[in-house]
Amino acid sequence: QKEVEQNSGPLSVPEGAIASLNCTYSDRGSQSFFWYRQYSGKSPELIMSIYSNGDKEDGRFTAQLNKASQYVSLLIRDSQPSDSATYLCAVNSNSGYALNFGKGTSLLVTP
Amino acid sequence: GAVVSQHPSWVICKSGTSVKIECRSLDFQATTMFWYRQFPKQSLMLMATSNEGSKATYEQGVEKDKFLINHASLTLSTLTVTSAHPEDSSFYICSARDISGIRQETQYFGPGTRLLVL
Repeated sequence: QKEVEQNSGPLSVPEGAIASLNCTYSDRGSQSFFWYRQYSGKSPELIMSIYSNGDKEDGRFTAQLNKASQYVSLLIRDSQPSDSATYLCAVNSNSGYALNFGKGTSLLVTP
Repeated sequence: GAVVSQHPSWVICKSGTSVKIECRSLDFQATTMFWYRQFPKQSLMLMATSNEGSKATYEQGVEKDKFLINHASLTLSTLTVTSAHPEDSSFYICSARDISGIRQETQYFGPGTRLLVL
């Protein structure tokens, strides 16, 4: 069973702080990694993708991947109340194009 | 780019009726679309993978005769919930894979369809 694990939270951070969201995966052959944001009652929205070890930055978001540790994270700098949502980690394990999703981490940014 | 639409966004129906949900990729071609279901406060559950021009692949525990999937073109997949019952009430979300993209594993989600069966 290919697992994608996330802490369900809620993770609460004050406005302006850095939010750190973590994800681990079990399939060592995984090649592609994605972070999606899902607001309550809405469908997931792609935030970032990462494919190689290291950091990838896009605006206030930084994705970090460590394949040796089977670990991927998302950092959100200068967190805003509008960032409050559930963040889903998704992993493609190279067996077709289906993604394995974690259960998501609920983030709450307090003013 | 990479916009996926779903129709309808909301549907309320009586128990025993069938409901069809459409998923369209508006600005790209998608040989593969995915159908998910999400119950309140739960994670996304992949129901099936829809392949253009061939039969869908269903996940374990999903009844293929109840959830009919048709992927007749590169931009349209439909999910029909047959003989819907209250336990089928859920948020149904489709996603599509952009075959022209550099990284074809990326999935773009539609806005979802909320189904309520009375």
